[in-house]
Amino acid sequence: DGGITQSPKYLFRKEGQNVTLSCEQNLNHDAMYWYRQDPGQGLRLIYYSQIVNDFQKGDIAEGYSVSREKKESFPLTVTSAQKNPTAFYLCASSIDGTYDISNQPQHFGDGTRLSIL
Amino acid sequence: SQQGEEDPQALSIQEGENATMNCSYKTSINNLQWYRQNSGRGLVHLILIRSNEREKHSGRLRVTLDTSKKSSSLLITASRAADTASYFCATDDETSGSRLTFGEGTQLTVNP
Repeated sequence: DGGITQSPKYLFRKEGQNVTLSCEQNLNHDAMYWYRQDPGQGLRLIYYSQIVNDFQKGDIAEGYSVSREKKESFPLTVTSAQKNPTAFYLCASSIDGTYDISNQPQHFGDGTRLSIL
Repeated sequence: SQQGEEDPQALSIQEGENATMNCSYKTSINNLQWYRQNSGRGLVHLILIRSNEREKHSGRLRVTLDTSKKSSSLLITASRAADTASYFCATDDETSGSRLTFGEGTQLTVNP
């Protein structure tokens, strides 16, 4: 079955530590996204990538970094500079990486819940 | 900044009743999407409605769009306990066109 796999499901970060969240898709989608969701709130865009080796900052990119070396993979690193990292992180993809990526449905993984130790 | 805002924040109904959720937005859009999220899971896409469409149906779901009022509604007919979830609208921005902005969602509880 095609889909998006996020791992791990739960992750704990120590003070001053960088952690990396994995996102892999086998849908052959061009575009991939990372969102942050805080309790009772909507999704906020962290980074997105429309094509391999290219990515753009979203609304809350500070304290995060990404890479897009392969079409299938879009890992997110939460750095020590992100002072309030506790949240639910969602990865998504959409089929076409052309300019109007907002005109497509997004497919989501089941998230990684990150907490501070 | 929040583009879409859902109303109500929470809705509790009995099985078999209809559920209506509303979404208002601020700027002109090219399209509006509705998503569903079960507790602790990712979002699932329900319907995409374009700015030149007024109504769209998918099974028990009916979405309307009124661009003059900058609002959309999602109607779930004959609700079931399994419809219990959070529902989000997501809009693009006509000028940027490159990303979606999600509202804060409506938490729907369908009581058996």
